[in-house]
Amino acid sequence: KNEVEQSPQNLTAQEGEFITINCSYSVGISALHWLQQHPGGGIVSLFMLSSGKKKHGRLIATINIQEKHSSLHITASHPRDSAVYICAVKRVSVHSGAGSYQLTFGKGTKLSVIP
Amino acid sequence: NAGVTQTPKFRVLKTGQSMTLLCAQDMNHEYMYWYRQDPGMGLRLIHYSVGEGTTAKGEVPDGYNVSRLKKQNFLLGLESAAPSQTSVYFCASRRSRDGGYTFGSGTRLTVV
Repeated sequence: KNEVEQSPQNLTAQEGEFITINCSYSVGISALHWLQQHPGGGIVSLFMLSSGKKKHGRLIATINIQEKHSSLHITASHPRDSAVYICAVKRVSVHSGAGSYQLTFGKGTKLSVIP
Repeated sequence: NAGVTQTPKFRVLKTGQSMTLLCAQDMNHEYMYWYRQDPGMGLRLIHYSVGEGTTAKGEVPDGYNVSRLKKQNFLLGLESAAPSQTSVYFCASRRSRDGGYTFGSGTRLTVV
């Protein structure tokens, strides 16, 4: 079982719809990242959060540490939101070795927003 | 524009050839990373650096070497390319251990 699971794998939405992408993880973490990978391949960091909720424009990210779950919401979706959304977790480490610097990535959710 | 620049963007190699991928950042970031992205898999860490002159192995280091002689540059080398190294390679950097990541635009490498 992967340590970071995203759902759904693929999502098609009509323009204007409210979208939710989910991320569940099975390890203790110190932070969770949401990334956006454009159709051209570039990756942009959207959020880094360790508790609660963050909002940027039409994007909202939430995290529930007890349930080991995070969601990324997009309000009033637009075709330009079409991309792969990637969840990544920074594991808690008691050592200062490699694990404390590594992210573990989900496989991504491919979102297509149709006009 | 400030950011992470990767060169080249595309490359085709023959099995056994060598090459170096260059990652340059102008944000004075301490930490730099090389990842590979393969279909159906999440990004995987190849090597990373926590500062000038330091490098360390990540999750999938075999077949790759790295150097960080200058703070702004992180080089990824393939000494003898294999078809299994066909992938998209991403470089990333961040200012501190708890900072956000900035990614390069990727290098698509095909080994035939």
